[in-house]
Amino acid sequence: AQSVTQPDIHITVSEGASLELRCNYSYGATPYLFWYVQSPGQGLQLLLKYFSGDTLVQGIKGFEAEFKRSQSSFNLRKPSVHWSDAAEYFCAVGNWMDSSYKLIFGSGTRLLVRP
Amino acid sequence: GAVVSQHPSWVICKSGTSVKIECRSLDFQATTMFWYRQFPKKSLMLMATSNEGSKATYEQGVEKDKFLINHASLTLSTLTVTSAHPEDSSFYICSAVLSGDGTQYFGPGTRLLVL
Repeated sequence: AQSVTQPDIHITVSEGASLELRCNYSYGATPYLFWYVQSPGQGLQLLLKYFSGDTLVQGIKGFEAEFKRSQSSFNLRKPSVHWSDAAEYFCAVGNWMDSSYKLIFGSGTRLLVRP
Repeated sequence: GAVVSQHPSWVICKSGTSVKIECRSLDFQATTMFWYRQFPKKSLMLMATSNEGSKATYEQGVEKDKFLINHASLTLSTLTVTSAHPEDSSFYICSAVLSGDGTQYFGPGTRLLVL
């Protein structure tokens, strides 16, 4: 069965430091991969997505992610974190199931930013 | 682009009453919308897939008679929680699929509190 694992429940980084959030997936074919961010009490905002092609994907707010098929990973990175980046981050894989396109979400990683 | 709205953003109701939540795609048409439920500090749980002009497809364990979904137009899907009970209190989020690549764009969520 398809699944997404975000091994870090929460991560704390200092403002200005670099960030990497881990995501591993289990999927038989080439997956569609997504990273979403959720601020408290809000919906999810799409940061970036990977469908095919260049394995290094650029997103909004200075985020990027790299698809590594050999490691079944799609880690999210940012070179310098801002206090406003504090939020919950969800990795997701999309696939066709039961004649519809669905997302399978990881459990999320909460990012805390130290001033 | 790809903006999704939800209304209301929060609602408080008495036990036994019904509550309707609207999900609209504001600048695109969506033949498919999804409804999710999110418990505190948890990931999103897919409740159902809403397809324009046809019956919704519910995930296993979701009561279709309790959570009525209507997708009458290409820009509007509604979720009605019938005979709401305190255990239905939750954060409900919808998403709309941008046709072409299947990316889901999420609404801001609706917080339901049943007293």
